[in-house]
Amino acid sequence: EPEVTQTPSHQVTQMGQEVILRCVPISNHLYFYWYRQILGQKVEFLVSFYNNEISEKSEIFDDQFSVERPDGSNFTLKIRSTKLEDSAMYFCASKVGRLKETQYFGPGTRLLVL
Amino acid sequence: DAKTTQPTSMDCAEGRAANLPCNHSTISGNEYVYWYRQIHSQGPQYIIHGLKNNETNEMASLIITEDRKSSTLILPHATLRDTAVYYCIVTHNAGNMLTFGGGTRLMVKP
Repeated sequence: EPEVTQTPSHQVTQMGQEVILRCVPISNHLYFYWYRQILGQKVEFLVSFYNNEISEKSEIFDDQFSVERPDGSNFTLKIRSTKLEDSAMYFCASKVGRLKETQYFGPGTRLLVL
Repeated sequence: DAKTTQPTSMDCAEGRAANLPCNHSTISGNEYVYWYRQIHSQGPQYIIHGLKNNETNEMASLIITEDRKSSTLILPHATLRDTAVYYCIVTHNAGNMLTFGGGTRLMVKP
């Protein structure tokens, strides 16, 4: 069964460093998402991406964040200058099309900012 | 999207049916009810969804009341591996983001 994959599974970085989290969505999916979950808190929406542009973003997704689909398979989340409060699990998700709401999630990347 | 209310936690004996309720009294006519679960800190896993009819798949059954103001997710024979946080989410089919609440922490006990 096709699944969303994410790399790395764990990332430790120093405050102020840039990190890139990578996702490979399910191959025929056209809509892509990033969510995050701070330890012990709810899963929060960050951004959605379709047709090579952001379609929706939350207040969390400020100028420090960016997303990109650099090729036909990868979908990346970049944090330009990490802060301690960026420590969280980051989940990528994808879905087939606009009217197919079922989003499928990857296993997540655990980011720790020191 | 409509807000949902779920119990914070529930216990279930292994092998018994787990019935997880969800209230969504402000649901609108074109909103679907989705259920996901999250085992430990893994990515949310899709379980099932429905609009107004009851639905069943290999994982679970979803019972939606006639007025659509509440629903119940049924795991027919809960196993220890079903211990997880279960999220009930109401959303438009063409909506974009999923809004996760606190969910119900289901503990399946031997």
